[in-house]
Amino acid sequence: DGGITQSPKYLFRKEGQNVTLSCEQNLNHDAMYWYRQDPGQGLRLIYYSQIVNDFQKGDIAEGYSVSREKKESFPLTVTSAQKNPTAFYLCASSIGLVVFGELFFGEGSRLTVL
Amino acid sequence: GENVEQHPSTLSVQEGDSAVIKCTYSDSASNYFPWYKQELGKRPQLIIDIRSNVGEKKDQRIAVTLNKTAKHFSLHITETQPEDSAVYFCALRGGFQKLVFGTGTRLLVSP
Repeated sequence: DGGITQSPKYLFRKEGQNVTLSCEQNLNHDAMYWYRQDPGQGLRLIYYSQIVNDFQKGDIAEGYSVSREKKESFPLTVTSAQKNPTAFYLCASSIGLVVFGELFFGEGSRLTVL
Repeated sequence: GENVEQHPSTLSVQEGDSAVIKCTYSDSASNYFPWYKQELGKRPQLIIDIRSNVGEKKDQRIAVTLNKTAKHFSLHITETQPEDSAVYFCALRGGFQKLVFGTGTRLLVSP
């Protein structure tokens, strides 16, 4: 069954702790993305990667870090430097960073900072 | 960077009515305009898209129109059904080929 798998679905974290969200895809897509979704603010781009071992900052990268060591995997670390980390995080992929490419999304991870 | 404004933020209609959601943008270089639907608790999914060389595109009960001169594009849903209830996001491909999303419209279709 092809698709994108995010884990965990729900995560609770204490202030000052780093947390890593997992994103795996078996669609053989080159490009992968992380978006943050907050009520009334749409989807905002955190980081994206066009190819293995390469990634670029999106519009709200501060307090986040990523890696792309394998084509299938694009984990996101929410660091303690992120001022307001409680949010719904969506991972996505596309065939490439092409103009008319459809994004395929995972089911999301909801992070709550206590 | 590129910005896209989406209105209304919420829209309530009766089953069978039409629904229209509008997005405006500023970058005239934008050339790809998709719409995503996110049902409650589910992932966003592409429902229709339009390229800048086309003014209108239809797929059964949904259609998208693009006015490049006025820099706005709209989603039209006819004969709405309760299963159309969801959050709809417009988006566009701007500079550096990043997809920029609108803030979303929550559509509620009442039986």
